[in-house]
Amino acid sequence: GAVVSQHPSRVICKSGTSVKIECRSLDFQATTMFWYRQFPKQSLMLMATSNEGSKATYEQGVEKDKFLINHASLTLSTLTVTSAHPEDSSFYICSAPIGARREKLFFGSGTQLSVL
Amino acid sequence: ILNVEQSPQSLHVQEGDSTNFTCSFPSSNFYALHWYRWETAKSPEALFVMTLNGDEKKKGRISATLNTKEGYSYLYIKGSQPEDSATYLCALNTGNQFYFGTGTSLTVIP
Repeated sequence: GAVVSQHPSRVICKSGTSVKIECRSLDFQATTMFWYRQFPKQSLMLMATSNEGSKATYEQGVEKDKFLINHASLTLSTLTVTSAHPEDSSFYICSAPIGARREKLFFGSGTQLSVL
Repeated sequence: ILNVEQSPQSLHVQEGDSTNFTCSFPSSNFYALHWYRWETAKSPEALFVMTLNGDEKKKGRISATLNTKEGYSYLYIKGSQPEDSATYLCALNTGNQFYFGTGTSLTVIP
């Protein structure tokens, strides 16, 4: 099956720094990438959808200036958490839909972000 | 936001026991129901994609059923093995977006 590689798997940073998370599709072209966030004991919540060659669309309540998304090519999408604060500490995971009606999702392995 | 619920939240069973868990979802806007198996530090792995009411799918010792009219799906594991230990995640696919449950964490005790 299709593989999505996500890095880093874990990052600890100081408050105020920026963190970049990368997701690469290794054996297919991902025109779309979903970015999810999961807080403890909660479900995956969609933050934004990145599309290759166009601006990302953000879900209500997600600050686009804080969570910068870039879909530079058909195999790479990045999420940058700018000026991270402790409340941004969470688990972030990407997934690429495949199929005309997005019948399948292929996930990265997630990034656990801890902001001190 | 559509509410997808999974129960139980966690489960411990003895090796060899059979077990099952539930995913409940709103019947409106249904396109498909997905089940994933998610081991720690790995990517969620697709188990089943179910689209038709009454669907029943099987993969080895794992099977799933779907009732779109009442809005639920069951996942069954027959003769649980320690390697089945993982979080089992369901997701409602509306055709535009996926809505996830919180998962059922299964631990199989040798």
